[in-house]
Amino acid sequence: GQQLNQSPQSMFIQEGEDVSMNCTSSSIFNTWLWYKQDPGEGPVLLIALYKAGELTSNGRLTAQFGITRKDSFLNISASIPSDVGIYFCAGDNYGQNFVFGPGTRLSVLP
Amino acid sequence: GAGVSQTPSNKVTEKGKYVELRCDPISGHTALYWYRQSLGQGPEFLIYFQGTGAADDSGLPNDRFFAVRPEGSVSTLKIQRTERGDSAVYLCASSPTPGEQFFGPGTRLTVL
Repeated sequence: GQQLNQSPQSMFIQEGEDVSMNCTSSSIFNTWLWYKQDPGEGPVLLIALYKAGELTSNGRLTAQFGITRKDSFLNISASIPSDVGIYFCAGDNYGQNFVFGPGTRLSVLP
Repeated sequence: GAGVSQTPSNKVTEKGKYVELRCDPISGHTALYWYRQSLGQGPEFLIYFQGTGAADDSGLPNDRFFAVRPEGSVSTLKIQRTERGDSAVYLCASSPTPGEQFFGPGTRLTVL
């Protein structure tokens, strides 16, 4: 079946630094989404991307839908302690075949 | 407004027992999804409802797993003859349109 790969698997950064993480797939998706999950909670939607090449921002977050429709990246600027958590990318085809990546675990050092 | 709620938050059962997990979606959301998440992994798709019908149940691992949504709102995931490998967090999500899913907090199932 379809699988997503995320890199890096985990990262430790200093507070205030910018963060970049990627998601790649062997298959095309029509929608890319980025979620953040805190311990004991369900994933929370951060950004949704609907068009190849689309670049979308949400506060300190910026994400892009790759032109090939097989990849996406998420950037976080000026990281703060509450950015700690696991970031998942997900690919979707019109509400079906919803696939999550394995996640990138972000830790922020004060 | 109220988000997606799931009950119970934790369920401990013995191998071989039957369990039911409940999901209350956001009011008005026609699409509902069930996922299973094991420790250190991303959510794994199980089943997707559009209204009352299962539009895609290809993620259900075997015939011990079954889900219903009889009135197009609340959904119940049912697991028969539970096995230790069924232990995981079961997540439910609802969506007003395909794509943007809003997740509940999950039910942590432990099979002893």
